[in-house]
Amino acid sequence: GQQVMQIPQYQHVQEGEDFTTYCNSSTTLSNIQWYKQRPGGHPVFLIQLVKSGEVKKQKRLTFQFGEAKKNSSLHITATQTTDVGTYFCVNAGGTSYGKLTFGQGTILTVHP
Amino acid sequence: DGGITQSPKYLFRKEGQNVTLSCEQNLNHDAMYWYRQDPGQGLRLIYYSQIVNDFQKGDIAEGYSVSREKKESFPLTVTSAQKNPTAFYLCASSTGTGRFKPYQPQHFGDGTRLSIL
Repeated sequence: GQQVMQIPQYQHVQEGEDFTTYCNSSTTLSNIQWYKQRPGGHPVFLIQLVKSGEVKKQKRLTFQFGEAKKNSSLHITATQTTDVGTYFCVNAGGTSYGKLTFGQGTILTVHP
Repeated sequence: DGGITQSPKYLFRKEGQNVTLSCEQNLNHDAMYWYRQDPGQGLRLIYYSQIVNDFQKGDIAEGYSVSREKKESFPLTVTSAQKNPTAFYLCASSTGTGRFKPYQPQHFGDGTRLSIL
């Protein structure tokens, strides 16, 4: 599958500030999945985006899939210390069935 | 509770030794996967299996081997040919994929941390 590039690699915020991570691909993606990995833990599935221009919300988290299906973003409003972790954007499509291609992730630190 | 169980949580390997990491799931999932994660990095796919008795190499299969004799089990052997095995190994499963349906989310186990003695 096509590698996705994720920025920023690190983000430090004060509790209550907003946070956004961006995911980009040079080719059109069939779909995107987002996962969160807490420090020392395992990735946990958050959401899947399939349609062009799709926007999905989960409480303070907003996920978007670009119109051209080449980029995606995750925005967290009013961060909390429980938001700490690494957020991965994952190319869930590609030429091999069942294969997920992980980006490097964005490591979020929230200072109380 | 349904889930994925990986064991052991920590494993130490001596030079020239093969070690096997266990992964068992009771989610009745068809597809299972093994990933390797190095510090500060994303996950890289080692092997995956979409059905019993069948598996395919991922991006970094050299020095690893797997088997899929039962639907519930997908053990990973790290062989002595893997010269840099120190990493966090994650097993995952999903309901599987098909040509005409979207990819399904993957459910991960708690991982095994492998180190060299």
